[in-house]
Amino acid sequence: DTAVSQTPKYLVTQMGNDKSIKCEQNLGHDTMYWYKQDSKKFLKIMFSYNNKELIINETVPNRFSPKSPDKAHLNLHINSLELGDSAVYFCASSQGWTSGRRNEQFFGPGTRLTVL
Amino acid sequence: AQTVTQSQPEMSVQEAETVTLSCTYDTSESDYYLFWYKQPPSRQMILVIRQEAYKQQNATENRFSVNFQKAAKSFSLKISDSQLGDAAMYFCAYRSATTPSGAHYRDNYGQNFVFGPGTRLSVLP
Repeated sequence: DTAVSQTPKYLVTQMGNDKSIKCEQNLGHDTMYWYKQDSKKFLKIMFSYNNKELIINETVPNRFSPKSPDKAHLNLHINSLELGDSAVYFCASSQGWTSGRRNEQFFGPGTRLTVL
Repeated sequence: AQTVTQSQPEMSVQEAETVTLSCTYDTSESDYYLFWYKQPPSRQMILVIRQEAYKQQNATENRFSVNFQKAAKSFSLKISDSQLGDAAMYFCAYRSATTPSGAHYRDNYGQNFVFGPGTRLSVLP
């Protein structure tokens, strides 16, 4: 009965490869997010997406692209991986952009990506 | 641009004692949300407590409470009766209440969700 799940939990790959991280939420939420946490623990939002609109943090390289097959899934595709992409990537979801006054984001367990 | 500062990279507390983690933020917005998240070694991000900026009353969740000072832009977390399981990284987070629309929101999107650098809390037996 996991609320937000991510696969894989660990991903080790070579520079230049293309990889994907999957995220699924069973909370019935409308909005999903991707965050990057670097080695110094800084968390930075990358994308927000609901079934109508994708909003991208302008600092995210276009090698990163979110893809949503349906409302419960938001996968992260990364092309031409670089050493600096090594980090922990968190998926999260919330009821809406600013629905009601709750705004709580539920986080997945994270995926540790290591680029060699 | 919104910023969140946590001035204490590391803190320690004796079991059963009380500890306060500090957080200050900077924003020109009047409506926003503040959160404290806990990240134990398991890496899971867990929401500890939330505060709506329009509410004057400080939020409380069991042993966790906040001291929200809107004018001072301060949002500290108090943990009472500390337990070994409280040991974790604690992140203060800011979220804009702006409804997403228009170029301005998109151009400044990274500033609408901002996390502080975190405070590592150790609990000593």
